[in-house]
Parts: sequence; C-alpha cells; structure tokens
Amino acid sequence: NAGVTQTPKFRILKIGQSMTLQCTQDMNHNYMYWYRQDPGMGLKLIYYSVGAGITDKGEVPNGYNVSRSTTEDFPLRLELAAPSQTSVYFCASSYSGTGRNTGELFFGEGSRLTVL
Amino acid sequence: LAKTTQPISMDSYEGQEVNITCSHNNIATNDYITWYQQFPSQGPRFIIQGYKTKVTNEVASLFIPADRKSSTLSLPRVSLSDTAVYYCLVAARANNLFFGTGTRLTVIP
Repeated sequence: NAGVTQTPKFRILKIGQSMTLQCTQDMNHNYMYWYRQDPGMGLKLIYYSVGAGITDKGEVPNGYNVSRSTTEDFPLRLELAAPSQTSVYFCASSYSGTGRNTGELFFGEGSRLTVL
Repeated sequence: LAKTTQPISMDSYEGQEVNITCSHNNIATNDYITWYQQFPSQGPRFIIQGYKTKVTNEVASLFIPADRKSSTLSLPRVSLSDTAVYYCLVAARANNLFFGTGTRLTVIP
C-alpha cells in the first residue's frame, strides 16, 4: 500500500516553461488536494477535488490548473512558470471531506519546484 | 474560516510532557479541531482530532474545554524524534483546513 505518491520529487524550471506534477493515491479516496508550502510558512490550498470529474479552487489557484479523470490521479499543471511559484508542493487525499468531520488527510512526500 | 493562534516555538527536554495550546475564539458549531505534525522535507501527518472534552490515542491527547475556544495538544514524554512543527486546524470541511505557521517544537537532549 503506497499511499499518496508524487512525482517528480525535484524539478528546476525556467521562467515561462510549463510542467505537470503528478499525484496518485491507492486508498480509493474520493477527496484529493494540492497544497503549496513556501519556506517557513504553513500550507496553502491550491485546488481540491471531491471526486472524479469535480474540481474546485482553493486559496491560491492562480497560475495552476488541475484535472481529475480518475479516482486515483490528480495532476497539477503549472502554466507559464514564474519565480513566485518556487515552492514545495504537497498532494493529499482523504476518505471524507464534508462529512461529520474533516477526516484524516494523507500527504505525499512533496515535490520541490524551483523556477529560475 | 476559524482562525487559530498558537505559539511560534517551544523548547522541551527529553522525557517531559509537552502541552501546546491553540486559541480559536471564533470556532463554529460544526467545526472539528485537528492537529498535524510535520517533519522537515515531509508532508504533514495527522495526529489527533476532536470535537469536545478529551480525546486520546496512542501518541497524544487532545483537551477541549466546554466553550471550545481553545484546545491543548499533550505529548507525553517527548523524545528527540518529536522535534517538528505542529499545526492546529479548525474546520468543518476538509477543503477549509487552514495550515498556519504552526508551533515549532524543539526537544533538547
């Protein structure tokens, strides 16, 4: 049982390039999330999904896009990378998200992105 | 979103009990209180969640007074491996979980 798997772990991009961060989970969770964490700061929610085909914006969605074609996968696309997108990106999943409680979020190991 | 306030940092010696208090004065009726732990270069890990009174699991206890305007995470007999950042979150929906800057706990030998 791998949990939440993110690839790549590290990536350096040039300004204006695009890339996709991959996230897959094998726990059959309906809810998936993308966060970013800047140095010394807490995590900020970028996008989330409550199931296949359904996505919604979080706190800081500008400059990113997501899709959810399957329960397992939730890729995050960066279009026209900017230095402000230099950060560590975490993908997470949970069984419940709007039930009686917030449930337990399971996080991946993170993807460290540098934009130069 | 219910805002939380917790100390920026704490130091403790190995073997001591550590209590980290979180203030959440505007907590809503449906909000749950959740604590996460984060080690450097890793994603946060769920520690404990509660709604009221006391919750205990194999790693921590969570104390919530009747007015629910604060909560205290208690870590018994900490070790060096408990050095991490601890986040207090208050929300009714997972997409409303707000990770602030957390409390950086340093355990000293």
